[in-house]
Amino acid sequence: DAKTTQPTSMDCAEGRAANLPCNHSTISGNEYVYWYRQIHSQGPQYIIHGLKNNETNEMASLIITEDRKSSTLILPHATLRDTAVYYCIVRVANFGNEKLTFGTGTRLTIIP
Amino acid sequence: GAVVSQHPSWVICKSGTSVKIECRSLDFQATTMFWYRQFPKQSLMLMATSNEGSKATYEQGVEKDKFLINHASLTLSTLTVTSAHPEDSSFYICSALRTESYEQYFGPGTRLTVT
Repeated sequence: DAKTTQPTSMDCAEGRAANLPCNHSTISGNEYVYWYRQIHSQGPQYIIHGLKNNETNEMASLIITEDRKSSTLILPHATLRDTAVYYCIVRVANFGNEKLTFGTGTRLTIIP
Repeated sequence: GAVVSQHPSWVICKSGTSVKIECRSLDFQATTMFWYRQFPKQSLMLMATSNEGSKATYEQGVEKDKFLINHASLTLSTLTVTSAHPEDSSFYICSALRTESYEQYFGPGTRLTVT
Protein backbone atom coordinates (compact mmCIF):
# COMPACT_ATOMS: atom_id res chain seq x y z
CA ASP A 1 0.00 0.00 0.00
CA ALA A 2 1.13 3.55 -0.73
CA LYS A 3 2.56 5.57 2.13
CA THR A 4 0.73 8.65 3.34
CA THR A 5 1.97 11.81 5.03
CA GLN A 6 -0.19 13.82 7.41
CA PRO A 7 0.50 16.72 9.76
CA THR A 8 1.03 15.56 13.32
CA SER A 9 -1.55 17.85 14.83
CA MET A 10 -4.07 20.56 14.02
CA ASP A 11 -6.44 22.82 15.90
CA CYS A 12 -9.79 24.06 14.68
CA ALA A 13 -12.34 26.36 16.26
CA GLU A 14 -15.71 24.87 17.08
CA GLY A 15 -18.25 25.54 14.35
CA ARG A 16 -15.62 26.11 11.69
CA ALA A 17 -14.69 23.76 8.89
CA ALA A 18 -11.79 21.46 9.69
CA ASN A 19 -9.60 20.70 6.68
CA LEU A 20 -7.23 17.79 7.14
CA PRO A 21 -4.64 17.26 4.39
CA CYS A 22 -3.01 14.02 3.33
CA ASN A 23 -0.22 13.45 0.82
CA HIS A 24 -0.06 10.17 -1.05
CA SER A 25 2.24 10.92 -3.95
CA THR A 26 2.98 7.26 -4.74
CA ILE A 27 -0.64 6.17 -4.94
CA SER A 28 -1.42 3.61 -7.63
CA GLY A 29 -4.30 3.84 -10.07
CA ASN A 30 -6.37 1.19 -8.31
CA GLU A 31 -5.80 2.42 -4.75
CA TYR A 32 -8.58 4.12 -2.84
CA VAL A 33 -8.13 6.85 -0.24
CA TYR A 34 -9.74 5.99 3.09
CA TRP A 35 -10.22 8.10 6.18
CA TYR A 36 -10.78 6.75 9.66
CA ARG A 37 -10.77 8.50 12.99
CA GLN A 38 -10.10 7.30 16.50
CA ILE A 39 -11.57 9.05 19.47
CA HIS A 40 -9.58 8.55 22.64
CA SER A 41 -9.74 4.97 23.98
CA GLN A 42 -12.12 3.78 21.28
CA GLY A 43 -11.78 1.69 18.15
CA PRO A 44 -11.32 3.45 14.79
CA GLN A 45 -14.42 4.71 13.02
CA TYR A 46 -14.79 4.74 9.25
CA ILE A 47 -15.46 8.20 7.83
CA ILE A 48 -15.30 8.16 4.05
CA HIS A 49 -13.38 6.84 1.08
CA GLY A 50 -12.92 7.67 -2.59
CA LEU A 51 -11.02 6.75 -5.72
CA LYS A 52 -10.77 9.91 -7.81
CA ASN A 53 -14.04 11.78 -7.57
CA ASN A 54 -14.91 13.99 -4.62
CA GLU A 55 -17.17 12.30 -2.13
CA THR A 56 -19.57 13.53 0.51
CA ASN A 57 -21.53 11.77 3.21
CA GLU A 58 -23.25 12.74 6.42
CA MET A 59 -19.96 12.97 8.27
CA ALA A 60 -17.54 14.65 5.90
CA SER A 61 -16.40 15.52 2.41
CA LEU A 62 -13.34 14.13 0.67
CA ILE A 63 -11.57 16.20 -1.95
CA ILE A 64 -9.02 14.35 -4.07
CA THR A 65 -6.73 16.32 -6.36
CA GLU A 66 -6.84 15.60 -10.06
CA ASP A 67 -3.44 13.90 -10.01
CA ARG A 68 -4.59 11.94 -6.92
CA LYS A 69 -1.35 12.69 -5.10
CA SER A 70 -3.10 14.39 -2.22
CA SER A 71 -6.50 14.71 -0.62
CA THR A 72 -8.31 16.75 2.00
CA LEU A 73 -10.89 15.60 4.48
CA ILE A 74 -13.36 18.32 5.36
CA LEU A 75 -15.52 18.33 8.47
CA PRO A 76 -17.89 21.18 7.56
CA HIS A 77 -18.94 22.31 11.04
CA ALA A 78 -16.56 20.89 13.62
CA THR A 79 -17.87 20.10 17.08
CA LEU A 80 -16.02 19.19 20.26
CA ARG A 81 -16.90 15.54 19.60
CA ASP A 82 -14.78 15.65 16.44
CA THR A 83 -11.63 15.83 18.55
CA ALA A 84 -9.78 12.67 17.55
CA VAL A 85 -6.83 11.25 15.64
CA TYR A 86 -7.60 11.12 11.92
CA TYR A 87 -5.93 8.50 9.75
CA CYS A 88 -5.56 8.70 5.99
CA ILE A 89 -4.94 5.27 4.41
CA VAL A 90 -4.59 4.26 0.79
CA ARG A 91 -5.25 0.71 -0.31
CA VAL A 92 -6.62 -1.50 -3.00
CA ALA A 93 -10.07 -2.67 -1.96
CA ASN A 94 -10.36 -6.18 -3.22
CA PHE A 95 -9.83 -9.78 -2.23
CA GLY A 96 -6.39 -10.34 -0.82
CA ASN A 97 -5.86 -6.68 0.03
CA GLU A 98 -7.98 -6.27 3.09
CA LYS A 99 -5.23 -5.16 5.46
CA LEU A 100 -5.20 -1.60 6.72
CA THR A 101 -1.86 -0.02 7.57
CA PHE A 102 -2.26 2.83 10.02
CA GLY A 103 0.25 5.67 10.03
CA THR A 104 0.62 8.20 12.80
CA GLY A 105 -2.39 10.25 11.73
CA THR A 106 -3.34 13.83 12.57
CA ARG A 107 -4.43 14.70 16.08
CA LEU A 108 -7.28 17.18 15.57
CA THR A 109 -8.29 19.28 18.54
CA ILE A 110 -11.51 21.28 18.35
CA ILE A 111 -11.27 24.39 20.45
CA PRO A 112 -14.40 25.85 22.09
CA GLY B 1 -24.71 -0.36 10.19
CA ALA B 2 -22.17 -3.06 10.90
CA VAL B 3 -21.52 -3.55 14.62
CA VAL B 4 -18.55 -5.25 16.19
CA SER B 5 -18.31 -5.87 19.91
CA GLN B 6 -15.44 -6.81 22.17
CA HIS B 7 -15.47 -8.39 25.60
CA PRO B 8 -14.25 -7.48 28.06
CA SER B 9 -13.79 -3.75 27.57
CA TRP B 10 -11.04 -3.77 30.16
CA VAL B 11 -9.23 -6.38 32.19
CA ILE B 12 -6.56 -6.43 34.86
CA CYS B 13 -4.62 -9.61 35.39
CA LYS B 14 -1.56 -10.80 37.24
CA SER B 15 1.70 -11.55 35.51
CA GLY B 16 1.86 -15.15 34.32
CA THR B 17 -1.86 -15.63 33.83
CA SER B 18 -3.72 -15.90 30.53
CA VAL B 19 -6.44 -13.59 29.30
CA LYS B 20 -9.02 -14.21 26.58
CA ILE B 21 -10.56 -11.38 24.57
CA GLU B 22 -13.62 -11.95 22.39
CA CYS B 23 -14.52 -10.16 19.19
CA ARG B 24 -18.00 -10.56 17.73
CA SER B 25 -19.62 -9.27 14.57
CA LEU B 26 -23.21 -8.70 15.66
CA ASP B 27 -25.12 -8.17 12.44
CA PHE B 28 -22.99 -9.70 9.71
CA GLN B 29 -20.84 -12.73 9.13
CA ALA B 30 -17.11 -12.28 8.95
CA THR B 31 -14.84 -14.95 7.56
CA THR B 32 -11.89 -12.66 8.29
CA MET B 33 -11.17 -10.67 11.41
CA PHE B 34 -8.09 -8.71 12.39
CA TRP B 35 -6.38 -8.10 15.72
CA TYR B 36 -4.47 -4.89 16.41
CA ARG B 37 -2.48 -3.64 19.36
CA GLN B 38 -2.03 -0.03 20.30
CA PHE B 39 0.42 1.30 22.88
CA PRO B 40 -0.12 4.73 24.45
CA LYS B 41 0.35 7.63 22.04
CA GLN B 42 1.13 5.23 19.19
CA SER B 43 -0.77 4.09 16.15
CA LEU B 44 -2.51 0.76 15.65
CA MET B 45 -0.25 -2.13 14.76
CA LEU B 46 -1.70 -5.18 13.04
CA MET B 47 -0.90 -8.34 14.98
CA ALA B 48 -2.65 -11.04 13.00
CA THR B 49 -5.35 -11.93 10.53
CA SER B 50 -7.92 -14.40 11.81
CA ASN B 51 -9.60 -16.66 9.26
CA GLU B 52 -12.69 -18.71 10.09
CA GLY B 53 -11.91 -22.41 10.10
CA SER B 54 -8.19 -22.05 9.49
CA LYS B 55 -5.03 -20.91 11.21
CA ALA B 56 -4.38 -17.27 11.81
CA THR B 57 -1.71 -15.39 9.90
CA TYR B 58 0.64 -13.47 12.16
CA GLU B 59 2.58 -10.33 11.31
CA GLN B 60 6.33 -10.36 11.56
CA GLY B 61 7.54 -10.15 15.13
CA VAL B 62 4.28 -11.34 16.73
CA GLU B 63 4.66 -14.58 18.69
CA LYS B 64 1.94 -16.98 17.62
CA ASP B 65 2.40 -19.17 20.70
CA LYS B 66 1.90 -16.20 22.98
CA PHE B 67 -1.07 -14.66 21.20
CA LEU B 68 -3.43 -17.53 20.43
CA ILE B 69 -6.19 -16.76 17.96
CA ASN B 70 -9.27 -18.89 17.39
CA HIS B 71 -11.91 -18.06 14.80
CA ALA B 72 -14.35 -20.90 15.34
CA SER B 73 -17.46 -19.31 13.86
CA LEU B 74 -18.41 -16.68 11.33
CA THR B 75 -19.19 -14.18 14.07
CA LEU B 76 -16.59 -14.84 16.74
CA SER B 77 -12.81 -14.59 17.01
CA THR B 78 -10.89 -14.83 20.25
CA LEU B 79 -7.42 -13.64 21.20
CA THR B 80 -5.77 -15.28 24.18
CA VAL B 81 -2.72 -13.62 25.66
CA THR B 82 -0.86 -16.46 27.33
CA SER B 83 1.48 -16.01 30.27
CA ALA B 84 0.90 -12.29 30.22
CA HIS B 85 3.62 -9.91 31.33
CA PRO B 86 3.51 -6.19 32.11
CA GLU B 87 4.89 -5.38 28.65
CA ASP B 88 1.75 -6.97 27.16
CA SER B 89 -0.31 -4.20 28.73
CA SER B 90 -1.93 -2.45 25.79
CA PHE B 91 -5.14 -1.56 24.01
CA TYR B 92 -6.25 -4.51 21.87
CA ILE B 93 -8.64 -3.79 19.02
CA CYS B 94 -10.32 -6.19 16.64
CA SER B 95 -12.01 -5.58 13.34
CA ALA B 96 -14.28 -7.70 11.19
CA LEU B 97 -14.23 -7.73 7.41
CA ARG B 98 -17.52 -7.38 5.59
CA THR B 99 -16.90 -9.43 2.47
CA GLU B 100 -19.39 -7.64 0.20
CA SER B 101 -17.57 -4.34 0.50
CA TYR B 102 -14.11 -5.38 1.78
CA GLU B 103 -14.63 -2.87 4.56
CA GLN B 104 -13.34 -3.38 8.08
CA TYR B 105 -15.54 -2.53 11.04
CA PHE B 106 -13.78 -2.03 14.33
CA GLY B 107 -14.64 -3.08 17.83
CA PRO B 108 -14.45 -0.66 20.75
CA GLY B 109 -11.20 -2.14 22.05
CA THR B 110 -10.07 -3.96 25.19
CA ARG B 111 -7.64 -2.38 27.59
CA LEU B 112 -5.38 -4.99 29.16
CA THR B 113 -3.33 -4.16 32.23
CA VAL B 114 -0.92 -6.78 33.53
CA THR B 115 0.35 -6.23 37.05
